[in-house]
Amino acid sequence: SQQGEEDPQALSIQEGENATMNCSYKTSINNLQWYRQNSGRGLVHLILIRSNEREKHSGRLRVTLDTSKKSSSLLITASRAADTASYFCATDPTGGGNKLTFGTGTQLKVEL
Amino acid sequence: KAGVTQTPRYLIKTRGQQVTLSCSPISGHRSVSWYQQTPGQGLQFLFEYFSETQRNKGNFPGRFSGRQFSNSRSEMNVSTLELGDSALYLCASSLNPGAGETQYFGPGTRLLVL
Repeated sequence: SQQGEEDPQALSIQEGENATMNCSYKTSINNLQWYRQNSGRGLVHLILIRSNEREKHSGRLRVTLDTSKKSSSLLITASRAADTASYFCATDPTGGGNKLTFGTGTQLKVEL
Repeated sequence: KAGVTQTPRYLIKTRGQQVTLSCSPISGHRSVSWYQQTPGQGLQFLFEYFSETQRNKGNFPGRFSGRQFSNSRSEMNVSTLELGDSALYLCASSLNPGAGETQYFGPGTRLLVL
């Protein structure tokens, strides 16, 4: 079963705008990871944030984590058409080893 | 460094048959995990292998099995295929099985069961 819920399910924006996706989860975690998937292909790892971190940046990506609310957000700034993809959060539960639990995903469409 | 490779990329089988999927992890990675992705259930963890031993198992029936070889390559097998087994099967590798390891995914094997 999926632990995470992502919001919104779908998001359509214009190139150059920012895109924000939210993820909520249910249990204690070691870390939370964000992945991108293009058209049903493999997952590309974007960023990992550990449970003792609150914010992390990587290029145009900014991830926040609020363990008290069991939620995370992914911000993509200055979006490009190439950012069009599905984005998933995945939690690495405490004691779970490499057993990632994925959210439902957000479908992002960036239009020219 | 080459990424995770999966073979075959596409597969069509009929109900009742069995199938074997293969995964070669990134060189030096010793942990391999398998996931199933379907439109209805999303991405679900199948199992994880490290040092030829299954460390974790998801909530799937015994028809789903796997193994890992001494070179860290892994295979998963699905016996007595059902229509609902149609899915994208993704393999991921990481250096070690410890918490906090980034998992790198392969392109997947798309299985269609008719």
